[in-house]
Amino acid sequence: AQSVTQLGSHVSVSEGALVLLRCNYSSSVPPYLFWYVQYPNQGLQLLLKYTSAATLVKGINGFEAEFKKSETSFHLTKPSAHMSDAAEYFCAVSDRGTNAGKSTFGDGTTLTVKP
Amino acid sequence: ETGVTQSPTHLIKTRGQQVTLRCSSQSGHNTVSWYQQALGQGPQFIFQYYREEENGRGNFPPRFSGLQFPNYSSELNVNALELDDSALYLCASSLGGVVDNEQFFGPGTRLTVL
Repeated sequence: AQSVTQLGSHVSVSEGALVLLRCNYSSSVPPYLFWYVQYPNQGLQLLLKYTSAATLVKGINGFEAEFKKSETSFHLTKPSAHMSDAAEYFCAVSDRGTNAGKSTFGDGTTLTVKP
Repeated sequence: ETGVTQSPTHLIKTRGQQVTLRCSSQSGHNTVSWYQQALGQGPQFIFQYYREEENGRGNFPPRFSGLQFPNYSSELNVNALELDDSALYLCASSLGGVVDNEQFFGPGTRLTVL
């Protein structure tokens, strides 16, 4: 069975500082990996996804994530935080192929950006 | 291109009642997945419908059931509601059968069970 662990339920950074949100996964085979963002009272929006092409994946809004098989990690980073980045972030894993819709999600990390 | 829509946005029910939630998929998509997101947790996969057939189910009891219609819209039905069913219910649509497919989420229905 697949699982996702997001280390740190709350992360607080200053505006302009580096954002680092951690995600570790467990899967018997190389999976697909996703990061989603959720703003209050809204659904989830895909930030980026890893599907076995380049291990460094660039997404929207300046975010990127690196797939590290040896560490079973897929941490999300952004060089400089903006106030608008304050939201809930979810890491998710699914089987390879055509199963993006059967994802297993982590419990989320709330990102706070201080002025 | 129309995005994923869900109705209603909010719903209050009492224990033991039944509820139906609705989802319209994004134009061109033939697959709908339903998720339950309890407060403070990540979404949990309930089930998926592909071309009107159930195509996978998570760890949810049979009182959670669904339908997909020929236009690929979908319903989630929950019978005998329990307090723990209070959650945000999200649907997501995708194009099934396509490698590296992506799912697009609706805004969710907030269900409160009293």
